[in-house]
Amino acid sequence: NAGVMQNPRHLVRRRGQEARLRCSPMKGHSHVYWYRQLPEEGLKFMVYLQKENIIDESGMPKERFSAEFPKEGPSILRIQQVVRGDSAAYFCASSPLPPAGGPSETQYFGPGTRLLVL
Amino acid sequence: LAKTTQPISMDSYEGQEVNITCSHNNIATNDYITWYQQFPSQGPRFIIQGYKTKVTNEVASLFIPADRKSSTLSLPRVSLSDTAVYYCLVGDNNNDMRFGAGTRLTVKP
Repeated sequence: NAGVMQNPRHLVRRRGQEARLRCSPMKGHSHVYWYRQLPEEGLKFMVYLQKENIIDESGMPKERFSAEFPKEGPSILRIQQVVRGDSAAYFCASSPLPPAGGPSETQYFGPGTRLLVL
Repeated sequence: LAKTTQPISMDSYEGQEVNITCSHNNIATNDYITWYQQFPSQGPRFIIQGYKTKVTNEVASLFIPADRKSSTLSLPRVSLSDTAVYYCLVGDNNNDMRFGAGTRLTVKP
């Protein structure tokens, strides 16, 4: 069973360009999370999605950022008109649907995409 | 959402036992406590999860007092390869756990 896959692993963009980050969850997982991590800092939650639904996007900037998790295909985090402050590592995690009354399911993380904005 | 507080950093030496304590005073009845480990340039990975008392696996032990307002991750006989950031999270079955800054553990020879 392949783990969470993210691509590209490294992405370089110039200011004003668009960045598209992809995440393929583990097989059978219906929940996807996106996090951003600046150097020497902890992870910061951005958005939580289920198939075709955004459950919580409270951590995502209102402008330029969007996320989707279509019925078919990977989850996409899209950053429009990138700025230097968008340079960071972006991690995706996935988890299965938790059992009713059970604990939060473990989140399985991908290797991350390191975005560098020149 | 229950907020967690943990030390920013800790130093230890090889072979020692390391205990990292996390405070979560507002933990809810349905919340579980989960710890993750993150190595540089990698995504976090699950270490251990518990609800109360003590949980032990091949990697670590998790001690949770009766009031559940704190928890302690115990790493026995650490090695250099245990140098990482350790995150404490609390959440219920709605997948609402949030990562904080974590504790940066440095193991020295």
